[in-house]
Amino acid sequence: ETGVTQTPRHLVMGMTNKKSLKCEQHLGHNAMYWYKQSAKKPLELMFVYSLEERVENNSVPSRFSPECPNSSHLFLHLHTLQPEDSALYLCASSQDTQGWSQDGNTIYFGEGSWLTVV
Amino acid sequence: AQKITQTQPGMFVQEKEAVTLDCTYDTSDQSYGLFWYKQPSSGEMIFLIYQGSYDEQNATEGRYSLNFQKARKSANLVISASQLGDSAMYFCAMRRRAVDNDMRFGAGTRLTVKP
Repeated sequence: ETGVTQTPRHLVMGMTNKKSLKCEQHLGHNAMYWYKQSAKKPLELMFVYSLEERVENNSVPSRFSPECPNSSHLFLHLHTLQPEDSALYLCASSQDTQGWSQDGNTIYFGEGSWLTVV
Repeated sequence: AQKITQTQPGMFVQEKEAVTLDCTYDTSDQSYGLFWYKQPSSGEMIFLIYQGSYDEQNATEGRYSLNFQKARKSANLVISASQLGDSAMYFCAMRRRAVDNDMRFGAGTRLTVKP
């Protein structure tokens, strides 16, 4: 059983809809991420939260809006998406430390949310 | 800039045989971590194995081992005794430091295990 859970697993939405993806991590980690995986493209980092503060936003369109209410939960709010936004959205978490260790560097992923925009 | 290269888009292996998935990377940093993930068709990205740049011994985790050649900047994944359930996409990834938020991924290799 994965330590990072995502809901819903599948979502179909129209371009005018508003929906949200939810992520919860049960690992006690201090950093959470949203990644986008499109067909035939490498994983793209969208957002990073460390200690509940956003530390990185890789020029993601404003129709994607993240929210991190606490260290265990992460949301991705979706609004007026385009068909090209259809992809697998992966949530992840890690316990980031200054030292070098497997636990301090590994990013653990959830099962992903398959999004289709029609 | 970091770059991860996986030159094998697809690989086939007979059940119970070993297979090597290639990965090369490019970085000027001295401290970094190398990772392999497995992604079945369901979508979940499953962590398999980790190798630190300062680790002198190759990492092993059950049937997975990482053939780390630092001078060549390669980190190949070896899967021994392949099973049908090993059929999936495999991604090599690198992270420079714990404070580097982005983990860079290769394009992946699709492994198919034949019965």
